[in-house]
Amino acid sequence: DSGVTQTPKHLITATGQRVTLRCSPRSGDLSVYWYQQSLDQGLQFLIHYYNGEERAKGNILERFSAQQFPDLHSELNLSSLELGDSALYFCASSVDPTAWKQYFGPGTRLTVL
Amino acid sequence: AQKVTQAQTEISVVEKEDVTLDCVYETRDTTYYLFWYKQPPSGELVFLIRRNSFDEQNEISGRYSWNFQKSTSSFNFTITASQVVDSAVYFCALSEARGNEKLTFGTGTRLTIIP
Repeated sequence: DSGVTQTPKHLITATGQRVTLRCSPRSGDLSVYWYQQSLDQGLQFLIHYYNGEERAKGNILERFSAQQFPDLHSELNLSSLELGDSALYFCASSVDPTAWKQYFGPGTRLTVL
Repeated sequence: AQKVTQAQTEISVVEKEDVTLDCVYETRDTTYYLFWYKQPPSGELVFLIRRNSFDEQNEISGRYSWNFQKSTSSFNFTITASQVVDSAVYFCALSEARGNEKLTFGTGTRLTIIP
């Protein structure tokens, strides 16, 4: 158990809908990272938040947004969902951006029908 | 742009055999970091090792060893005396930043250990 929690574990929704994925980092970790793992694109970095501020962006679509709250949990919002958004979404945390070890959560499996 | 190539999509070996997973990377930076992660059937990614570009020493941790060669831009991973619990997807990753921001992952190698 990495100490990172993600909810929900599974999510099934329809095209055009909006969903929110939630991540709670390990206690004491200030950095939260979001990744998408799909058959087409593999494992891709989406975005990194550090202590409430956006720190780095990867291949994140404009339809996707994220935020990190004062209690350090993070949410990834996916809107206008398409079939191709079906994937496993991972959250990871680390102490801070310079920490070389990320701890990954169990992931949220999103299925868009 | 940085890129990580894991040419081996799937590998199967019989238990107790040694197996090497290949990783080739591309980057224009002189300072970078290389990682290996394991994704067991449960799905959660598990960190295995990190190596910075200035440290070409090979590393051994139990049955695991890593061979970093800058001359060939490779960071290969060897499992000695494989066990069924080693069955997983293994990802090689690269970061050009000081920490491990913006990790670029390879496509992964699915390793199956046959009992």
